[in-house]
Parts: sequence; structure tokens; C-alpha cells
Amino acid sequence: EAGVAQSPRYKIIEKRQSVAFWCNPISGHATLYWYQQILGQGPKLLIQFQNNGVVDDSQLPKDRFSAERLKGVDSTLKIQPAKLEDSAVYLCASSLGQFVQETQYFGPGTRLLVL
Amino acid sequence: DQQVKQNSPSLSVQEGRISILNCDYTNSMFDYFLWYKKYPAEGPTFLISISSIKDKNEDGRFTVFLNKSAKHLSLHIVPSQPGDSAVYFCAASQGVNNNDMRFGAGTRLTVKP
Repeated sequence: EAGVAQSPRYKIIEKRQSVAFWCNPISGHATLYWYQQILGQGPKLLIQFQNNGVVDDSQLPKDRFSAERLKGVDSTLKIQPAKLEDSAVYLCASSLGQFVQETQYFGPGTRLLVL
Repeated sequence: DQQVKQNSPSLSVQEGRISILNCDYTNSMFDYFLWYKKYPAEGPTFLISISSIKDKNEDGRFTVFLNKSAKHLSLHIVPSQPGDSAVYFCAASQGVNNNDMRFGAGTRLTVKP
């Protein structure tokens, strides 16, 4: 079974530029998550989708971050414009359902450096 | 706010010995706890979990203990193996319908041969 795929793996941009990350979850997983992991910290949930609907985006900085999951499969996370403090690893995860007991499977992440 | 804390950034143990990783939380509403393991350049992988109705859960070499009164949980690895060397994250969640896990900052475990 293929795991969660993410691209690109690395991205370097200058502040005020825009960037987009892509995630392909495990086939059949209805729930998709985006996390931000700043160096030295644990992952922080940014947004959770159930199929193509948003379940929780309370921690997403909506003035600059946006995410979508068209057709309930792949998802993209966009930052526009980027700030220095957005430098982090962006992790995508998926699970069969939205209950906490359902194991979340993480992708390898996209490491973003904002200069 | 740091609702889940892992106060030891690193831990080093000898192969074959016990590894004990600790985690403290402040939110008494948390009722489900998980441990994830992360190797370099990979995403975290689920290791073991425990519900607040239990105080212990065991899976092979891994055992998680929960002390609700102290708001403390620990992960025991016995015996430790070099392949266990990784960063371990503790996570907590509130309510069975809530998948918003709060993670600790992680503890880097090194198991020496």
C-alpha cells in the first residue's frame, strides 16, 4: 500500500513570495490533515478535511494560508505572501475516519525555508 | 500554549536496557494519548496509544503508562535496540470526535550498541 505522498520535498523562497505544497493521501482515506512543524517543536495542526469539506481550520493563519481538497482526494496548501516565521516542515497526514482512534499516517513532509 | 510538554530533549541508553520517555500535560480534558516515532527525513509514525480509562497499554517491547492525577504519561521500551534511535513525540487529544492532537516537542532517543 502506497503511503502519503508530498511534493516538493524542499523549497527555498524569499519573503513575500508565494509557495504551494501538494499532498496525495493514502487511497480511500477520507480525512486529510496539514501540520506545521517548526524546528524544535512538535507538529501543529493547521487544517483538517473530511472528504472535501473543512472540519477544523481554527489554527490556520487565514490572512496568508489557504488550503483546498478538490474532489476529496489530493490537497494543496498555499502560503501567500510568505514570512520568515513560516520556515518549517509542512506535514500532510491522512486517516480512514475523523475519530482520534483512527491512526494518522504522515507523509515525509516539505521543508520550507523563507529567506 | 504548551499543553503537552516533553522536558527531556534527548536521552541516551545502552542497547538491551530500558528506555523511559516522559510526557506531561496541563489540560485535564485530554482523554486520549498517543506516541509517535520519527526517523530523519520521514514523517512521524504511530507507535502506541492509551485511553484515559486505562493506566497501562502494552504492545510488544513498548508500554505506555498513564497517571491521570499527575497528568503524566511515560513510554517504556524494553529491551532497547539501536533501531529504536529516533525522535519520539507524545500527543494528546480531547474527545473521541476530536482529531486535533496536541504534540510535545519531542525527545531524541539514542540507543548505543
